[in-house]
Amino acid sequence: EAGVTQSPTHLIKTRGQQVTLRCSPISGHTSVYWYQQALGLGLQFLLWYDEGEERNRGNFPPRFSGRQFPNYSSELNVNALELEDSALYLCASTRTDTQYFGPGTRLTVL
Amino acid sequence: AQRVTQPEKLLSVFKGAPVELKCNYSYSGSPELFWYVQYSRQRLQLLLRHISRESIKGFTADLNKGETSFHLKKPFAQEEDSAMYYCALSGLIAGGTSYGKLTFGQGTILTVHP
Repeated sequence: EAGVTQSPTHLIKTRGQQVTLRCSPISGHTSVYWYQQALGLGLQFLLWYDEGEERNRGNFPPRFSGRQFPNYSSELNVNALELEDSALYLCASTRTDTQYFGPGTRLTVL
Repeated sequence: AQRVTQPEKLLSVFKGAPVELKCNYSYSGSPELFWYVQYSRQRLQLLLRHISRESIKGFTADLNKGETSFHLKKPFAQEEDSAMYYCALSGLIAGGTSYGKLTFGQGTILTVHP
């Protein structure tokens, strides 16, 4: 069974730019979660999509947004990048209650 | 509100020694508790969940609702156990039968010396 995949692996952006991160869940999983793992802040919940709808979002500004497609893959968009957005962004998928994580996308904002 | 506390940021033991990674949680409803592990240069992966009551790689964890704890234990640590360990909590969605986001502790870096 293929695991959760994420792209790109890493990218470098400058302040003010916009970025899109992508996630493909495990086949059969309908829910996708996004987490941010910033240095010193641990893993923090960003967004939850299920069956194409946003179900919940964490304590992040509106410039963090996303969507889920009919095939259950998901995108995370971050607008107006700030230096503190530099982090590892993790995607997880689930069908029930156990979340399985992708390898993450390392975002560096200069 | 959901909160998970892992009081030890770093834990060092010698090979063959017992190890216990502490986790305390705060949640008013019915929680589901997990331990995730991240080995060097690998993705975050599930180690065990309280509801399955399994022993994975020799690790066990018992949910103590009275003390709101979910400590991870292994009687004899191995060098390959060296990793970052995260305790996580998921709460039952109000009025539903499914669980939502994971709330993670800050993690404990376990180092097992030869």
